[in-house]
Amino acid sequence: GAGVSQTPSNKVTEKGKYVELRCDPISGHTALYWYRQSLGQGPEFLIYFQGTGAADDSGLPNDRFFAVRPEGSVSTLKIQRTERGDSAVYLCASSFSSGRGDTGELFFGEGSRLTVL
Amino acid sequence: GNSVTQMEGPVTLSEEAFLTINCTYTATGYPSLFWYVQYPGEGLQLLLKATKADDKGSNKGFEATYRKETTSFHLEKGSVQVSDSAVYFCAFLSGSARQLTFGSGTQLTVLP
Repeated sequence: GAGVSQTPSNKVTEKGKYVELRCDPISGHTALYWYRQSLGQGPEFLIYFQGTGAADDSGLPNDRFFAVRPEGSVSTLKIQRTERGDSAVYLCASSFSSGRGDTGELFFGEGSRLTVL
Repeated sequence: GNSVTQMEGPVTLSEEAFLTINCTYTATGYPSLFWYVQYPGEGLQLLLKATKADDKGSNKGFEATYRKETTSFHLEKGSVQVSDSAVYFCAFLSGSARQLTFGSGTQLTVLP
C-alpha cells in the first residue's frame, strides 16, 4: 500500500520477554519517527531517524528500548525484558524531510498495540 | 518545558452544532502549530497547520488561528457532521526540534 505499514497490529507478551515491532514507511520518505501512545494520552516521542542514523533518541525511556533502520527504509523497534508499563500503542510515522527542517507533516501508521501481561 | 494543553473530552455535539476545541501551548521560540485527527480505525493524519503568528490553517471546514499573544491555537468548525467524530490532537514543532509535541487529545462524538 501507499501508507505507513506497521506489524504486528497487536502483540500480547509476558513480562520479561523480548519484542520487535516493525515499521515500513512511505517510499521515499527519509525521516522516520517512533512514538508511544498510552491510553487517554497523546503520542510521546521516542526516536527519530534521518536516513539510517538515529538523529534524536532522547525520547527512549531507558536502555531496554532500541531501534534500528539499517537500510534507511524499514525500521524495527526492539524492547528487551518487557514490563507491564510498556503496554501502549507504538506509532510509527514518516515524512519527507527537505534537510532544512521538518515541516511537521507526519504520515502515521495505525500503530502496534503492545500488551504486556 | 515544552507542553500542549488541550480541552479535555469527551465532547458530544449534535449534527450542525458549532465546535470549539481549545489548545494552548508552552514552547520556546516561534513554534509551528498543528491539529492532527484520528478517525476510528485509522492512523493519525494532519488536519491543518499554521507556521507563524496570525496565520489561519483550514481544512474540511475546520479552522484554527495562530495567536502568539495568547499562545493558543483553538480548533473551530461552524457546523459539525457525524463523520467528524474522531479524536483531535493539538501539536507543535518548536525551533530545532524535529519531533512534534502532542496534547492529550479530545474525543469528539457527533450525534445525528
